[in-house]
Amino acid sequence: AQSVAQPEDQVNVAEGNPLTVKCTYSVSGNPYLFWYVQYPNRGLQFLLKYITGDNLVKGSYGFEAEFNKSQTSVHLKKPSALVSDSALYFCAVRATGANNLFFGTGTRLTVIP
Amino acid sequence: EAGVVQSPRYKIIEKKQPVAFWCNPISGHNTLYWYRQNLGQGPELLIRYENEEAVDDSQLPKDRFSAERLKGVDSTLKIQPAELGDSAVYLCASSLDRDYGRTQYFGPGTRLLVL
Repeated sequence: AQSVAQPEDQVNVAEGNPLTVKCTYSVSGNPYLFWYVQYPNRGLQFLLKYITGDNLVKGSYGFEAEFNKSQTSVHLKKPSALVSDSALYFCAVRATGANNLFFGTGTRLTVIP
Repeated sequence: EAGVVQSPRYKIIEKKQPVAFWCNPISGHNTLYWYRQNLGQGPELLIRYENEEAVDDSQLPKDRFSAERLKGVDSTLKIQPAELGDSAVYLCASSLDRDYGRTQYFGPGTRLLVL
């Protein structure tokens, strides 16, 4: 079975400060991990994916993700938050050899000017 | 490159009425997905197509939902009859087999309100 947990429904951060959006997962075998962002009345936009290799993966809009195998986590990070980063962020997992993505319930990020 | 196209963007219908959603995937993407996203939740897969074949429809409520992907390109998802609980955003996504990780790219979605 595959599952994803995003433990924080809401994250608030001041503009210019670093941000972290947390995600833990459960999957059999090696995971494929994805982060998406959703703006109001829009679909999900792909930010980045972790497949294998370096534990720090760089993505779009200055975002990066830190993969930790022992903690089964892949936290989304950005060194300096922008007000325009305010949106809903989803983590998703797919097991190697499987075809379907399983999504978390999302974390709403608010960047305060 | 054009992204995933969906129409309509919004639909309001009365319960028991039929409704259909259309999706055109990214050119060349052989896999197409339909998801339902309820308010405050992540997307949940309804059906996945590999070319024109529905290879996973285990989560599709088959008593009222149907889908087709003729010629392996665009796809239609239908609900007949709609129920109040069907109010949600219906998302279409596509991916390319040879993409490492099979990244899914999503359309803007169709927001359905059943009254």
